[in-house]
Amino acid sequence: KAGVTQTPRYLIKTRGQQVTLSCSPISGHRSVSWYQQTPGQGLQFLFEYFSETQRNKGNFPGRFSGRQFSNSRSEMNVSTLELGDSALYLCASSEGSSYNSPLHFGNGTRLTVT
Amino acid sequence: GEDVEQSLFLSVREGDSSVINCTYTDSSSTYLYWYKQEPGAGLQLLTYIFSNMDMKQDQRLTVLLNKKDKHLSLRIADTQTGDSAIYFCAETPQDKIIFGKGTRLHILP
Repeated sequence: KAGVTQTPRYLIKTRGQQVTLSCSPISGHRSVSWYQQTPGQGLQFLFEYFSETQRNKGNFPGRFSGRQFSNSRSEMNVSTLELGDSALYLCASSEGSSYNSPLHFGNGTRLTVT
Repeated sequence: GEDVEQSLFLSVREGDSSVINCTYTDSSSTYLYWYKQEPGAGLQLLTYIFSNMDMKQDQRLTVLLNKKDKHLSLRIADTQTGDSAIYFCAETPQDKIIFGKGTRLHILP
């Protein structure tokens, strides 16, 4: 089976712009969860989608949003970018929920905000 | 609060055993995970343990769980240069997963 695919691998944006990141899960996995990784804060949970419904959301402002399509592919969007949004964004897919099934991670999208 | 604690760095000589420690906070966690992250990559699941187990062994990896102290450890036997990475433990209280900040394992020749 193909692994989790995230596109693009790298992005450079300026403050105030918006960005959309894409994640294709492993075939058959219905859950996709998103994480922000920074050197200072570590790995922080953004949100989880299961069968097109947002199941859980982390403690991030409303500028961070996501969605999941019927084929389980997911996108996350960040609007009005701030310098502090520079991070590695990881998505993971799992057969069940993110908290009771092993997570399979993509290689991430490195976002730099200037 | 919700905080999974790990030491940030560990240096081990090649061939020795590595022990990475983790302290979690929520005794309701059903699963406790260890993930590995190599440079430029996402996290890779190494192993996990159910909360009703004390120990799990998988080839060179041994996981020990002390529920009373909420302490989890990962032992890597015969550490190799390919084990150089960041190791994350994670707890699963109720309906979420919380990661520690990771332990960077450095292998000395």
